[in-house]
Amino acid sequence: DAGVIQSPRHEVTEMGQEVTLRCKLISGHNSLFWYRQTMMRGLELLIYFNNNVPIDDSGMPEDRFSAKMPNASFSTLKIQPSEPRDSAVYFCASSFPFAYGYTFGSGTRLTVV
Amino acid sequence: SQQGEEDPQALSIQEGENATMNCSYKTSINNLQWYRQNSGRGLVHLILIRSNEREKHSGRLRVTLDTSKKSSSLLITASRAADTASYFCATDAEGNNRLAFGKGNQVVVIP
Repeated sequence: DAGVIQSPRHEVTEMGQEVTLRCKLISGHNSLFWYRQTMMRGLELLIYFNNNVPIDDSGMPEDRFSAKMPNASFSTLKIQPSEPRDSAVYFCASSFPFAYGYTFGSGTRLTVV
Repeated sequence: SQQGEEDPQALSIQEGENATMNCSYKTSINNLQWYRQNSGRGLVHLILIRSNEREKHSGRLRVTLDTSKKSSSLLITASRAADTASYFCATDAEGNNRLAFGKGNQVVVIP
């Protein structure tokens, strides 16, 4: 298995543009997590899904952020419109349910100028 | 919400020495996990210890858990330059697969 795959690895965009981050889960994992990492705030959970259903999106900063999981192996995180303060590394992670640990992707480094 | 908090924040040691870092948390947990993050990479799961366990080993890693003090420690024995990374603890509240991560310990192993 190739692990959790995120794309793109790096994204530089202008303020106001739409950004879509993609994540492919490990086959068989049914939990999916989106995290954002910055120096100031560390790792923040944005949203997580169980069996394709969003369970908790309370970490999503504002309405500009949305996440979908159209099938069991794929998820997207969209920011529209993007702002400079969205600059961060965005990670997705997947897991089996309960107590097996997460497998993280390599992250997408987003820079909004 | 509960969150692991590691102590110390940064550690610099010579290759071959042991590295110890601690983590405290605030509420009851189902399990506690440690992750490593190399620069520019994603987090890698190292070890998981359940709330009814007190100590666990994996290779050169030793994790302890004291639920009465709500704390955990990670010991890396005989450190190597390749152990240079940030180490995070994460807690999973009872009945919840949602992990809350601490801010991480930066460990530098000098060859």
